[in-house]
Amino acid sequence: AQKITQTQPGMFVQEKEAVTLDCTYDTSDPSYGLFWYKQPSSGEMIFLIYQGSYDQQNATEGRYSLNFQKARKSANLVISASQLGDSAMYFCAMREGGIGNQFYFGTGTSLTVIP
Amino acid sequence: DVKVTQSSRYLVKRTGEKVFLECVQDMDHENMFWYRQDPGLGLRLIYFSYDVKMKEKGDIPEGYSVSREKKERFSLILESASTNQTSMYLCASSSLAGGPKETQYFGPGTRLLVL
Repeated sequence: AQKITQTQPGMFVQEKEAVTLDCTYDTSDPSYGLFWYKQPSSGEMIFLIYQGSYDQQNATEGRYSLNFQKARKSANLVISASQLGDSAMYFCAMREGGIGNQFYFGTGTSLTVIP
Repeated sequence: DVKVTQSSRYLVKRTGEKVFLECVQDMDHENMFWYRQDPGLGLRLIYFSYDVKMKEKGDIPEGYSVSREKKERFSLILESASTNQTSMYLCASSSLAGGPKETQYFGPGTRLLVL
């Protein structure tokens, strides 16, 4: 079974609107971390936001927030007030258990912001 | 700022050639990773290393080997390149010191074309 599932290969959003990128995960480990990364066309992966499995509140970083629904095993990324520079690939990732463990990545969502 | 560098941004090789991809990080990170990224498949882990001279297989190690003789350097080796190894290769590193929130830091990627 896939550890991380991103079901939206491509998304479009109007500039200044909010957009939600979906991510579901699969794990039986009670301790895990969820990460979102942005990959512009230049190729580098940029860390956006982190949510720990024991965190009580949803993570926020500027215009990025993570809608964490533990019972549903979903960790959706919400980008508010979209900007043209938000056009990129977005990857959801999970690390189980210990901090030395590997990351599992989803297949990504390509976001295009329309002026 | 953490810096992860990769020896080449673009590389063109012939089938059967031995290919070396080098990755260097300057933040004294314990963990280093090699991924390949293909459209629709996301990032797949090839190998990772949590210490000098230590290595662990990831999800797709076949056709690859790695070397970590120094803490800051992690090399990916394609012993005999094949056309199905044409891909984007991403190196990443992470620290154990930051705890569960510790993200991976990525290099700019190497786009490898095997003819």
